[in-house]
Amino acid sequence: AQSVTQPDIHITVSEGASLELRCNYSYGATPYLFWYVQSPGQGLQLLLKYFSGDTLVQGIKGFEAEFKRSQSSFNLRKPSVHWSDAAEYFCAVGSNQAGTALIFGKGTTLSVSS
Amino acid sequence: DVKVTQSSRYLVKRTGEKVFLECVQDMDHENMFWYRQDPGLGLRLIYFSYDVKMKEKGDIPEGYSVSREKKERFSLILESASTNQTSMYLCASSLAGPSNQPQHFGDGTRLSIL
Repeated sequence: AQSVTQPDIHITVSEGASLELRCNYSYGATPYLFWYVQSPGQGLQLLLKYFSGDTLVQGIKGFEAEFKRSQSSFNLRKPSVHWSDAAEYFCAVGSNQAGTALIFGKGTTLSVSS
Repeated sequence: DVKVTQSSRYLVKRTGEKVFLECVQDMDHENMFWYRQDPGLGLRLIYFSYDVKMKEKGDIPEGYSVSREKKERFSLILESASTNQTSMYLCASSLAGPSNQPQHFGDGTRLSIL
């Protein structure tokens, strides 16, 4: 069965510092991986996705993520965090099986300090 | 631009009431989803639908039902609301096929059951 683990419940980063949010997945075949961001009181917005090919994917808002099959990880990174990046971040895994839905991690809350 | 609209941002109901949460998408997507989001638990799938009049149970369907009479509309029904159904409810849609398609989310309905 598929599963997603986000080990960090809450992270605080100084504005301008780099960011890495961790995501580990469990899936037997090639996974389809996603990162979403949720600002307070809003729905989820897609940041980036990985289907195949280049293991480093670029997304919106200056985010990138790297797929590492050997570590079953898909960590999200940003070189310089802005105060507006404070939000909750969700990693999700999908499959190519019909009749399935995305499996989401429990989320990581990012706080940005000045 | 992609648009998923949930009819209410905030809703207050009483225990025992029948509650309807409405979701409309304008992207001609085949798949639609209902999640509930609770602190520390992430997103949990209640029901999803991959076609008109079709539905599949998610992880926590108890106490809920759904209706999809038209492709663009997916309704979540709380048959007899209880206080433990107080939560944030998120609707999403995606293109046809398995769960390797990104999902697009509405802004959510924060439901309080008194």
